[in-house]
Amino acid sequence: GENVEQHPSTLSVQEGDSAVIKCTYSDSASNYFPWYKQELGKRPQLIIDIRSNVGEKKDQRIAVTLNKTAKHFSLHITETQPEDSAVYFCAAGGADGLTFGKGTHLIIQP
Amino acid sequence: GAGVSQSPRYKVAKRGQDVALRCDPISGHVSLFWYQQALGQGPEFLTYFQNEAQLDKSGLPSDRFFAERPEGSVSTLKIQRTQQEDSAVYLCASSLGLDVYEQYFGPGTRLTVT
Repeated sequence: GENVEQHPSTLSVQEGDSAVIKCTYSDSASNYFPWYKQELGKRPQLIIDIRSNVGEKKDQRIAVTLNKTAKHFSLHITETQPEDSAVYFCAAGGADGLTFGKGTHLIIQP
Repeated sequence: GAGVSQSPRYKVAKRGQDVALRCDPISGHVSLFWYQQALGQGPEFLTYFQNEAQLDKSGLPSDRFFAERPEGSVSTLKIQRTQQEDSAVYLCASSLGLDVYEQYFGPGTRLTVT
């Protein structure tokens, strides 16, 4: 089955700086790579996703890149703000389900 | 429109009791998923429905876990003879299906087995 590794487990950045979270996956059949943001006690919220036929996707301050050959994908957040503080999960899969990473706790320092 | 809803939001069960967790997906969503999220971990896949058909139940941890979606809309996850290790948040997600993969999660049911 699919295995997703996510790094780092905790990331602390100064407000206004950029944050990068990296994930690797094992199953070459995976063709869909979403990122979720989860605040304490809340549901995971989809923030951005990418399909395997695309190398990069951007939505305002958030971007995701995918390297299919190396089987890794990354989340980039620029100009971080206090409200970006949360746990971020990457996932890999397709129409029939997702395998999640263990999460990255992003801390935005004022 | 209304998002995915789940009930109850919190459930405390004594070890050995049976529990039933309900999920109401977004109207019109063909695909429905159940995940288990332990404290400090990412969601783990349990099972997947396309309409009323359960196409994958490979993630169900034991035969004490059973899920159904008889009319292709509301789904119920049932856990029989609960054990302490079943304590977790149970998340339901739905997606439009076909070529649309985006999954939207419900708020989860926090199950505590004492």
